[in-house]
Amino acid sequence: GQQLNQSPQSMFIQEGEDVSMNCTSSSIFNTWLWYKQDPGEGPVLLIALYKAGELTSNGRLTAQFGITRKDSFLNISASIPSDVGIYFCAGQLNFGNEKLTFGTGTRLTIIP
Amino acid sequence: ETGVTQSPTHLIKTRGQQVTLRCSSQSGHNTVSWYQQALGQGPQFIFQYYREEENGRGNFPPRFSGLQFPNYSSELNVNALELDDSALYLCASGFQETQYFGPGTRLLVL
Repeated sequence: GQQLNQSPQSMFIQEGEDVSMNCTSSSIFNTWLWYKQDPGEGPVLLIALYKAGELTSNGRLTAQFGITRKDSFLNISASIPSDVGIYFCAGQLNFGNEKLTFGTGTRLTIIP
Repeated sequence: ETGVTQSPTHLIKTRGQQVTLRCSSQSGHNTVSWYQQALGQGPQFIFQYYREEENGRGNFPPRFSGLQFPNYSSELNVNALELDDSALYLCASGFQETQYFGPGTRLLVL
């Protein structure tokens, strides 16, 4: 099945650094979402974007819905240890409970 | 805490066997979707149920089937297990336009 391309695949940063990751698709989505998955858990929704060009923040997280509707970006400012995990983007054709097409994931590790 | 639970947490089966995985959500969660997450990959959509009927299916063969019950529980059944079916199986329960994921069932097929 289709998977969206995320980069980077993994990141090793120091606590306090900012983080940027992106997600691209060959097809258009009308809703973009960002999830975080911790070991042994299911994905947890962080941010949802519903309009091309939209910039949305949730605390230290900021995400943008690309104008072409084929990409999205997630930034994390001033990283802390609990930010460790795998971040997934996901696209939906429409808002709501439709199927999610997930990205390949970005694994974030914080170096002490 | 998403209010979505799955059982069992882990399961080991052998090739050719059949397996049933279960998911339970809360009142008002009107859709349930199942996803397969292979190691190191993102979840892949298997199918969705709405009002006890299948409401969309991903690229999975018919040996993957499901049920949704009136009490907000759901089952994923996989027949004739193959080695490649080894994965984390996630259910996602839909409430007010948001899907909430359970912790998953990790299936190992030997």
